[in-house]
Amino acid sequence: DGGITQSPKYLFRKEGQNVTLSCEQNLNHDAMYWYRQDPGQGLRLIYYSQIVNDFQKGDIAEGYSVSREKKESFPLTVTSAQKNPTAFYLCASSIDLAGKNTEAFFGQGTRLTVV
Amino acid sequence: AQTVTQSQPEMSVQEAETVTLSCTYDTSESDYYLFWYKQPPSRQMILVIRQEAYKQQNATENRFSVNFQKAAKSFSLKISDSQLGDAAMYFCAYRWGFYGGSQGNLIFGKGTKLSVKP
Repeated sequence: DGGITQSPKYLFRKEGQNVTLSCEQNLNHDAMYWYRQDPGQGLRLIYYSQIVNDFQKGDIAEGYSVSREKKESFPLTVTSAQKNPTAFYLCASSIDLAGKNTEAFFGQGTRLTVV
Repeated sequence: AQTVTQSQPEMSVQEAETVTLSCTYDTSESDYYLFWYKQPPSRQMILVIRQEAYKQQNATENRFSVNFQKAAKSFSLKISDSQLGDAAMYFCAYRWGFYGGSQGNLIFGKGTKLSVKP
């Protein structure tokens, strides 16, 4: 089945540690995105990538890093510089059709908790 | 900058009844998409319906339909014959029509929590 897979579903991090959230898609989509969701908030964009080996900062990139070495994969690292990392993280992807945006498809999310 | 506003943090509907969720947006662009996403307790974001700005006809997907008022920048979602499984957070989202750059990203409202009473 085609889709977006995020892992792990739940992740616990000690303060001062870096952790990496995985996002893999087999939809052959060009663009991939990372969003953060907090209670009472909509989704906020952390990073996005439209092609391999290229990515751009979103609205709340501080304390996060990404890589895009393969079209299928877009891992997100939450670094110790992120002051309030406890949140729900969603990965999404979309395809470029003749220069037009389409809807985004989402993974099931990762719940990160700092302990 | 584009913004999306959902003015109803919570809504409630009786099973089998109809409910309308409101969404307004602000943009200076003419080519864009609007979406309604559903997020059930599993937290999976599910696309409910989408509307292209250049289309005057309102989108419909089974029990879900929208009222798209482009001049008023309004995009409401109507759920007919509400079912218990419709209970979820609903997010309205905007996306620029042309691929490329940060304007291709989804802009979300803060969501409306819909409860369905049996």
